[in-house]
This record gives sequence, structure tokens and C-alpha cells, in this order.
Amino acid sequence: DAKTTQPTSMDCAEGRAANLPCNHSTISGNEYVYWYRQIHSQGPQYIIHGLKNNETNEMASLIITEDRKSSTLILPHATLRDTAVYYCIVRAVNYGGSQGNLIFGKGTKLSVKP
Amino acid sequence: DARVTQTPRHKVTEMGQEVTMRCQPILGHNTVFWYRQTMMQGLELLAYFRNRAPLDDSGMPKDRFSAEMPDATLATLKIQPSEPRDSAVYFCASGLARDLSAATEAFFGQGTRLTVV
Repeated sequence: DAKTTQPTSMDCAEGRAANLPCNHSTISGNEYVYWYRQIHSQGPQYIIHGLKNNETNEMASLIITEDRKSSTLILPHATLRDTAVYYCIVRAVNYGGSQGNLIFGKGTKLSVKP
Repeated sequence: DARVTQTPRHKVTEMGQEVTMRCQPILGHNTVFWYRQTMMQGLELLAYFRNRAPLDDSGMPKDRFSAEMPDATLATLKIQPSEPRDSAVYFCASGLARDLSAATEAFFGQGTRLTVV
């Protein structure tokens, strides 16, 4: 059973903010929200993760709703190199067993256009 | 520049042959993941190791696949005998898990593209 739901694809104009939504209505209290992306022909790349507070790093911002049932990844100024498949994942980091598995869904294919 | 190294990058083999894929985790990392990616199934988790011991290999076909970590610097994924349906890109990832927690971040290699004819 998929723990997250994402749109299949999205377009974004170069230089504009890309807002990628993710629904995780069955998230447990000990599960974090992770985002990875995969540029064509490369391995997935970690972007950001969070539990309940909003997070920001050099790549992106993560906004998690107060009820934690959904989140949005924001790329503030998308470039052509941000074209990739973006995966939203929930996982229980505080357990070293199989609950810490990193399970990928289908993701959102983001196309950044000139 | 620390990175996960996978070899070979490309492999073409005939059905029935044994295939061994190798992964060198980032030095000091104690968690290793093996994934398979196809157009139809996407990224599938095959195996998950911590401190060289398998924590979860439920995603791996047991009759022909095996994953091991002979030492902390080498992880192997073996297919014997290989079949055309095994054609895929195989990714290895490593991470550092502290205490009882899972690794917070997984670093992926460039993958091994396997074609079984």
C-alpha cells in the first residue's frame, strides 16, 4: 500500500517557484517526510526531510501541514537542471529495523521549461 | 569527494549466466540498500543491510538472487541464473545509522545497467 500520493507530472517555468504537493494522510507520529529526486540516468538524490516543523536547506523548503497529512516541497527558483522525478517518502527513522526502509513510490515528474 | 561506487556500470549477459554486481559504500557508512529500477515497477527495494547484517531482504527473489557484505567496504548482489526479466538498473545506496535509528540520508551510486538477452 502506497503511503504517499503525488501528482504524476507537473510543469514549471524556469525561474519560478516549483511547488510539489504530497498527501500522506495515514502518516504515523514517528514517521518523517522525506523528499528525493532522480535526474534522468542518475541515482536518486536526497533533498530534504522533516517531522512536523517546516525545513529549509540550500536546495529546497519543506512545508508540512499542522495535521501532518500533507506536505509541499518548494524549489524557490527552478532551473532547467531541476527537471527530474521527485519522490515523497514517509519513513520511521527512529527504528533501525525494517521500518527504516526507504520505499519509493511513482513520484512526480517535474518538467522545468524555458 | 565521498561517493558510492558501483561496478560494472553496464553489463550485458546471456540468459542463464551468473551476474555479480558490486558496491563500495561511502567509507564509514554502516547501512547499505540495494534497489532495482524498471520502467514498469519503478524503484523496488531488494535488500537492506545494517552493520553487514541483512535487516530486510523480503523484496528479493530468493531462488536466484543473493546479497552479501563480505566486509564493510564491499556489498555484492548476485543473480544466478539470470533471466531476461532481470534486465533493469540496479542501484546501491549507503548511509550512516546512529544508535538504534535508521540512516537519515541515503547516498546512491550511479547504478549498474543490466541487460539479459
